Order: sequence, then structure tokens, then C-alpha cells
Amino acid sequence: DGGITQSPKYLFRKEGQNVTLSCEQNLNHDAMYWYRQDPGQGLRLIYYSQIVNDFQKGDIAEGYSVSREKKESFPLTVTSAQKNPTAFYLCASSPGQKGYTFGSGTRLTVV
Amino acid sequence: KQEVTQIPAALSVPEGENLVLNCSFTDSAIYNLQWFRQDPGKGLTSLLLIQSSQREQTSGRLNASLDKSSGRSTLYIAASQPGDSATYLCAVSPQAGTALIFGKGTTLSVSS
Repeated sequence: DGGITQSPKYLFRKEGQNVTLSCEQNLNHDAMYWYRQDPGQGLRLIYYSQIVNDFQKGDIAEGYSVSREKKESFPLTVTSAQKNPTAFYLCASSPGQKGYTFGSGTRLTVV
Repeated sequence: KQEVTQIPAALSVPEGENLVLNCSFTDSAIYNLQWFRQDPGKGLTSLLLIQSSQREQTSGRLNASLDKSSGRSTLYIAASQPGDSATYLCAVSPQAGTALIFGKGTTLSVSS
């Protein structure tokens, strides 16, 4: 079945560490997105990519980085510059003219 | 800047009741609007997608309407069940392929 796979489901980061969240899709969608979800804040856009080798910053890109080397993959790196990384991270994809499909999320906790 | 508001933030109803969740947006120039369901600790499940040229979409007990001119959408749930308990999110897309802009959601609790 086609879908979006996010891994790991749970991730723990020590202070000063960079960690990478994986997002893979087999839907053949051109566009991919990363959102952050905090309690009471709703979903906020971190980065998005509409085509391979191109991506744009969203509303809260500081402290994050992405790459889009393959159509299927859009990994998100949470760098040590992100001071409050504890949150639920959601990846999504879209074919451009229809709805969006979301992954099951990664919960990141700072320890 | 587009803003999406969902009212109420939380809603509790007894099983069997029909209910309406509201979503409003400030800029009527949208490409489409999508309703999602989110269970605690889980990802988002798409419920209904309404293109800007459409007025409503239906799926089973769910009906979503769109009034672009007034910047409003409603999600109607008929004969609610305890399994409907979840957070419902409304999101708009300004253009095809651009990122969704979300409301903060309505958390629904249906008691048996």
C-alpha cells in the first residue's frame, strides 16, 4: 500500500546533539512538508519541498535543516541551534492538485 | 496572512447526537480545504477534501461544506459514536502544492 513512513516513532536527543528524522513516501508525490506540533499551538510549517533538490523555509525553520536528494525522501535534521526541540513532528506529501497525506509522526524529546 | 480559526476548541456530546464543527479563514482565495482527524499521539487522517469550486463533500456520516465568500467551512457529524472521539483539524491550501495552513483543532468527546 502507498503511504508515508516516518521513523523512528520516538527519538531522544541529548543537549548539543543533532538528530535526523526520516520521512519516506511511495506515493510518487512531488511535494513534501515538515510540520511541528506542540500542545495548544496547532501545526506549524518548518520546511517544504515542491521538487527534488529544492526546498523552502516555513514559518519556524530556525534550528532545522532538510535535504531533498530523492523524490521519495525528505529527512529533517534538528540541530543543536534549536533550543526547544521537544515536540511531535509530522511529515506530509501532496501530488499538487489533490489532498495531503500525513505520516504517523515522530515524537522527539530532549533528555 | 491567512489565518484559520476553529470553534469550539473542545466539545462534549452524548452518543447519537448530531453535531457541527466550525472552521473560518480570513482570506477567501484558497485552492482547497481539507478536514483531518487526529487521535492522541497519532498522525493525521484525511476525512474530506473540498476544492474551491465545490460547495460540499460527503463521506458516510460526515458532511463538509464550504462557503468561500464568507470564509467558512463546517463539518457535520451525524449520529455521533464514542469512536468519533478525536481532535478534528481544518486546513486550507492557498495554491496547489503549497503548504497547508491549519487551525488549532476541535477536540471532540462522545460519551456512551
